[in-house]
Amino acid sequence: GAVVSQHPSRVICKSGTSVKIECRSLDFQATTMFWYRQFPKKSLMLMATSNEGSKATYEQGVEKDKFLINHASLTLSTLTVTSAHPEDSSFYICSAWTGNPTGELFFGEGSRLTVL
Amino acid sequence: AQSVTQLGSHVSVSEGALVLLRCNYSSSVPPYLFWYVQYPNQGLQLLLKYTTGATLVKGINGFEAEFKKSETSFHLTKPSAHMSDAAEYFCAALFRPGTYKYIFGTGTRLKVLA
Repeated sequence: GAVVSQHPSRVICKSGTSVKIECRSLDFQATTMFWYRQFPKKSLMLMATSNEGSKATYEQGVEKDKFLINHASLTLSTLTVTSAHPEDSSFYICSAWTGNPTGELFFGEGSRLTVL
Repeated sequence: AQSVTQLGSHVSVSEGALVLLRCNYSSSVPPYLFWYVQYPNQGLQLLLKYTTGATLVKGINGFEAEFKKSETSFHLTKPSAHMSDAAEYFCAALFRPGTYKYIFGTGTRLKVLA
């Protein structure tokens, strides 16, 4: 199957700093990528939909100035958590759509962010 | 409203026993349905999916699921649990194919007892 890679898998940062997480589709071009946030023992919450070459579409309640998403190429989307605070600590997962009309998504390995 | 419900946030089975994880959806139009597995600190891996056609779908690792429109269900089963099956399982639905906005269930953590 298609491979989606996230980096870094774990990151620890100080409060007030910014952190960038990369999501790459390794063997296909992804016109659309999705970013999710997963709280402990909870399901995945869709944060935003990222389309190559255009602005991301954020879900209701997600601060677009806090979570900056850039989809600069067909194989790379980045999520930048700006001025991170402890409440931003979470597991962030990206997924990418291969273009298959059945809608199957391929997920990255996830990135665990810990803000001290 | 469209939704996905997974009954049982935790399920424990003995090794070798039947695994049954429940998933129901709420929608007047059957969605595309998916089961994903998540191991600790990892992303999600597709187990199987139902879009159209045969209602009994087989996936990886010996799992299968049956779409029952009359029951609005898509339960996941495996005849014999293995220790390596211990993980979190998510049922997901795509209610409007073309939007690629999944709705995930809350997940079921499967524990396999030796």
